[in-house]
Amino acid sequence: SQKIEQNSEALNIQEGKTATLTCNYTNYSPAYLQWYRQDPGRGPVFLLLIRENEKEKRKERLKVTFDTTLKQSLFHITASQPADSATYLCALQAGSARQLTFGSGTQLTVLP
Amino acid sequence: NAGVMQNPRHLVRRRGQEARLRCSPMKGHSHVYWYRQLPEEGLKFMVYLQKENIIDESGMPKERFSAEFPKEGPSILRIQQVVRGDSAAYFCASSSRDRDYEQYFGPGTRLTVT
Repeated sequence: SQKIEQNSEALNIQEGKTATLTCNYTNYSPAYLQWYRQDPGRGPVFLLLIRENEKEKRKERLKVTFDTTLKQSLFHITASQPADSATYLCALQAGSARQLTFGSGTQLTVLP
Repeated sequence: NAGVMQNPRHLVRRRGQEARLRCSPMKGHSHVYWYRQLPEEGLKFMVYLQKENIIDESGMPKERFSAEFPKEGPSILRIQQVVRGDSAAYFCASSSRDRDYEQYFGPGTRLTVT
């Protein structure tokens, strides 16, 4: 069955450092991989999307890589700030279907 | 530019009652998706609709749950005869026709069944 794993439930890092979150998947061939941010009591907020034929995508302090051979995506936040503290969700989307399949998320805490 | 709107934000129902959750997509978006987030679990897809059509309902429970997206008005997720296990956060997302892989989520409706 399809499975998406995010590296750890919780990750604490010091302000100013780079946070790296991992998303691994099995039994899936996604056309798109997306990263969302979710704050407590709120809906997910779309951050970045990367296509299966793309290796890397950047947006301001965010960077996503996508390795379809390893079946893995890495999500980096450089120069992290306490305001980056949230749960980050990885989501996969097949080419033909529009539904998103989400990982369970990684809760990131950036310590001042 | 209003985002996806959901109401009510919080809904309390007794077992056996009906729950109606509403979702107004972003302006210009014609695709609507419903997801459910159970306590301590991840987001799970329920249904994907376009105006007046259900495109994919593979994630919907077979009984008691239904969804619609009429030509006019918001999308409605309806849960009949609610049970305690229906208590969850229900999120609606929308996308445009030409960028339908980018979904934008609403704030969610938190349903509590007592």
